[in-house]
Amino acid sequence: GDSVTQMEGPVTLSEEAFLTINCTYTATGYPSLFWYVQYPGEGLQLLLKATKADDKGSNKGFEATYRKETTSFHLEKGSVQVSDSAVYFCALRDQGGSEKLVFGKGTKLTVNP
Amino acid sequence: DADVTQTPRNRITKTGKRIMLECSQTKGHDRMYWYRQDPGLGLRLIYYSFDVKDINKGEISDGYSVSRQAQAKFSLSLESAIPNQTALYFCATSGGGAWGDTQYFGPGTRLTVL
Repeated sequence: GDSVTQMEGPVTLSEEAFLTINCTYTATGYPSLFWYVQYPGEGLQLLLKATKADDKGSNKGFEATYRKETTSFHLEKGSVQVSDSAVYFCALRDQGGSEKLVFGKGTKLTVNP
Repeated sequence: DADVTQTPRNRITKTGKRIMLECSQTKGHDRMYWYRQDPGLGLRLIYYSFDVKDINKGEISDGYSVSRQAQAKFSLSLESAIPNQTALYFCATSGGGAWGDTQYFGPGTRLTVL
């Protein structure tokens, strides 16, 4: 079945550092891909998404490009802030009947001032 | 007001008790989902519903049941709670199909079974 693998954390960075969180997927066809963010004590919020190969999703300074050839959707940000501290989940939309989201295990990011 | 709400936000119960978690949405979506989050495991699908008359099992439905009372309401029940059902539970909604594949999540219910 479909699966998502993302880099294990936790990741600790200093403010203004460059962030990369790796995400690769296994799926039949070309599913839509998502990054969700979970701030402490809150639910999941959509951060960005891409629906086809070579699409770039972007939001709040974060970017990710749908790479079909490497089955990857890595999350990047050029300069992180303390407020970016959260857990980040990579996910794909199942193309079967449920249309469920298949999630990676999450990567916890801590940004220190 | 939040588009997807869940009640209660926190619940502590004892083994063997029946409990219900409720989800309401104002987004007008037909598709609703219940997920469970465990530390280090991401989220896993329990049940999903595409409309009031459509209920489907997800990958971890054993020990759970659901009710879709209306388009906007989707409840999850634990018939006889057990400690390994201690987790964070999320409800989500989606327009689905050609109208969008993004799922919108509620704030979660933290359930502890003693």
